Amino acid sequence: DGGITQSPKYLFRKEGQNVTLSCEQNLNHDAMYWYRQDPGQGLRLIYYSQIVNDFQKGDIAEGYSVSREKKESFPLTVTSAQKNPTAFYLCASSPSGSGISSYNEQFFGPGTRLTVL
Amino acid sequence: GQQVMQIPQYQHVQEGEDFTTYCNSSTTLSNIQWYKQRPGGHPVFLIQLVKSGEVKKQKRLTFQFGEAKKNSSLHITATQTTDVGTYFCAGPLRGSYIPTFGRGTSLIVHP
Repeated sequence: DGGITQSPKYLFRKEGQNVTLSCEQNLNHDAMYWYRQDPGQGLRLIYYSQIVNDFQKGDIAEGYSVSREKKESFPLTVTSAQKNPTAFYLCASSPSGSGISSYNEQFFGPGTRLTVL
Repeated sequence: GQQVMQIPQYQHVQEGEDFTTYCNSSTTLSNIQWYKQRPGGHPVFLIQLVKSGEVKKQKRLTFQFGEAKKNSSLHITATQTTDVGTYFCAGPLRGSYIPTFGRGTSLIVHP
């Protein structure tokens, strides 16, 4: 059964702690993305990766870090430097890692809702 | 900066009424995508439009891409309660393939 999994679904963390959100895909997609969703804000891009061992900052990368050591995995670490980490985090993947006209439908995971106490 | 703007932010309709959401870009887009997110769920891809003036239909949903490839619309005919959710448009603004999402239009359908 192909798809994207994110864990955990709900996560609570104390202020000042780092936390890592998991994202795994078995779709054999090259590109993976992390988005943050806040009420009324839509989806804002945190980081993206076009291929293994490469990633780029999105619009709101400050306070976050990622790695892409395997094609299937793209974990996101929310560091203590992120001032407002409470949000819904969505991971996505798409088949293509490049090309303006590429068919780049994004497949989303179920999301992780992070709450900082 | 470059943006993808979407209006309205919210739309309340009675079941059976039509609904339209509009998407506008500050720059010409190579393509535009539409996604639907049900309450408590994650975005799900609906369609991608590529050609200038393109119109595509999916049952009661009609998607349109403007002639200048800077705007798009999604029209739902005779809404049903199953249409409830937030509809997002997304288009690549960065000169590459990565889509920038609009803020979405939340559709509320009253039975």
